[in-house]
Amino acid sequence: NAGVTQTPKFQVLKTGQSMTLQCAQDMNHNSMYWYRQDPGMGLRLIYYSASEGTTDKGEVPNGYNVSRLNKREFSLRLESAAPSQTSVYFCASSKSAVGLAGGNEQFFGPGTRLTVL
Amino acid sequence: AQTVTQSQPEMSVQEAETVTLSCTYDTSENNYYLFWYKQPPSRQMILVIRQEAYKQQNATENRFSVNFQKAAKSFSLKISDSQLGDTAMYFCAFMRANAGGTSYGKLTFGQGTILTVHP
Repeated sequence: NAGVTQTPKFQVLKTGQSMTLQCAQDMNHNSMYWYRQDPGMGLRLIYYSASEGTTDKGEVPNGYNVSRLNKREFSLRLESAAPSQTSVYFCASSKSAVGLAGGNEQFFGPGTRLTVL
Repeated sequence: AQTVTQSQPEMSVQEAETVTLSCTYDTSENNYYLFWYKQPPSRQMILVIRQEAYKQQNATENRFSVNFQKAAKSFSLKISDSQLGDTAMYFCAFMRANAGGTSYGKLTFGQGTILTVHP
């Protein structure tokens, strides 16, 4: 049981290049999330997917797109990378975002460190 | 919108001693959940403890406990008998819930507190 996996672990891009960050979970979770973590700041939500087939914007969605490929996989795409997108990116999953009483624990992947030159 | 504030950028403690990390939050919601996450140098985010706002009793998990003051919108984490492995960045986080107690699943994080445990 691998939990939440992310690829790649590290990536260096030049300004204007595109790339896709991959995330997969094997816990049969319905909800998945993408966060970014910048120095001196907590994690901020970029996009989330409450269930397969749905996606919604979070706090900082500009410059990103997402795809919920199936129940297991949730990818994050940078179409034209900018230096301001240099950050550590975390994917997370939880059983559900809605419809389940109680706070839902989010399980996090190991992160992707992205540098845009 | 909710905000979460951790006013202590860095804390240090001697091994076996007790340390308290502070967190305050601002929300107009009445039903919500609060969390403390730990991020060691490996960068892995690990849930430490969770508190439901409708529960008056403070949550405890082994050496970790919280002091939840709903009226003051304060949620501090106490670590007892500190261990070297507790060295990490600690994040306080907020999650909305609707009137029925279901959660929307989106976490709002504070800026984090770096805790160093010295031998």
